[in-house]
Amino acid sequence: NAGVTQTPKFRILKIGQSMTLQCTQDMNHNYMYWYRQDPGMGLKLIYYSVGAGITDKGEVPNGYNVSRSTTEDFPLRLELAAPSQTSVYFCASSPRTGNTGELFFGEGSRLTVL
Amino acid sequence: AQSVAQPEDQVNVAEGNPLTVKCTYSVSGNPYLFWYVQYPNRGLQFLLKYITGDNLVKGSYGFEAEFNKSQTSFHLKKPSALVSDSALYFCAVRDVNSGYSTLTFGKGTMLLVSP
Repeated sequence: NAGVTQTPKFRILKIGQSMTLQCTQDMNHNYMYWYRQDPGMGLKLIYYSVGAGITDKGEVPNGYNVSRSTTEDFPLRLELAAPSQTSVYFCASSPRTGNTGELFFGEGSRLTVL
Repeated sequence: AQSVAQPEDQVNVAEGNPLTVKCTYSVSGNPYLFWYVQYPNRGLQFLLKYITGDNLVKGSYGFEAEFNKSQTSFHLKKPSALVSDSALYFCAVRDVNSGYSTLTFGKGTMLLVSP
């Protein structure tokens, strides 16, 4: 199994541009998440989804949008990119059963906004 | 609200020596507790978790963690460190009693094991 796959791995954007970070998982997990990781700050939750058609805001949702049309895919949209969105973005998933929280992470997408 | 504190930005230990990476947590109810490891330019990998039962939890790569409810701590330990253990370690918590809730991560502790 591929697990959680993120694309692209690296991207440079200009201020004001938009882009979508793609995330797909092949484990049939109901729950999916987007985190951003900044040095010394740990991981901050941007958005999450508990199933197709359902999304909810996390701790730092401003400047981002998500959709969940299928179980497998959970794209993250950046509108009007700003330098503050320079970060490493991680997508993760977890199964519904048990809700004991083990997350499976993708390899990350490093975004630079100049 | 739930929170996690990792008081050390970096832990240095010599290969073969025991290691401890500290974590304290705060939740209103009972906690689910987790440790994850991140190697350079990689995603986080699950190491171990405490859900209920025995306070000493064993996980991957010889790591273990001890849950201490009175001290609200969940320190990560390994009896004999390897150079290959050098990585960034994250503690995370979820409140069991708040229905579905997301994981809250600490800021991470860099572990450096010297040869």
